[in-house]
Amino acid sequence: EDKVVQSPLSLVVHEGDTVTLNCSYEVTNFRSLLWYKQEKKAPTFLFMLTSSGIEKKSGRLSSILDKKELSSILNITATQTGDSAIYLCAAGSGTYKYIFGTGTRLKVLA
Amino acid sequence: EAQVTQNPRYLITVTGKKLTVTCSQNMNHEYMSWYRQDPGLGLRQIYYSMNVEVTDKGDVPEGYKVSRKEKRNFPLILESPSPNQTSLYFCASSPGIALYNEQFFGPGTRLTVL
Repeated sequence: EDKVVQSPLSLVVHEGDTVTLNCSYEVTNFRSLLWYKQEKKAPTFLFMLTSSGIEKKSGRLSSILDKKELSSILNITATQTGDSAIYLCAAGSGTYKYIFGTGTRLKVLA
Repeated sequence: EAQVTQNPRYLITVTGKKLTVTCSQNMNHEYMSWYRQDPGLGLRQIYYSMNVEVTDKGDVPEGYKVSRKEKRNFPLILESPSPNQTSLYFCASSPGIALYNEQFFGPGTRLTVL
């Protein structure tokens, strides 16, 4: 059965801290690994990683795909209160499905 | 503006009363999908469609129907809603069908079934 597991479930940090969110996946014929940020509305896209693009960076956020370990991490450096959100990881499978993890709830305190 | 729209945004209904949640995208995307989001369970895929007249079940299809008669529209139908279908629903679309693209999400529909 395809599955995506995220850890930790929740995290509380102070502004300026660096955080690492984890995502592991087991999917049929893996295609892609996507990260989304969800505040009190629809998920917004952050990164997509594939076998041909295993590292992405945008400002303070970066993500790496470890194809050997079937996992990915999302790093956020110098966190800000605006980073408070649920971070979702999803894997695209060869069965044309996207499988989401349950998310990591991040709270950044001022 | 490129977007995915859903209607209604909020709906309170009673058990057994058929309802339809509409979803439309203006990006000419092939792939469309419906998800439900419940606390502690994350986003779960209900149905997806790879193109017009091509639909398939996701992980939680029971109690739902979909159709894809036009490329831009992908309505979600609840023939006989039950309280366990109370949830936040998202429609999403993506270019291509190989799952090498990001999904664009609609604003969500919060459904309460009494």
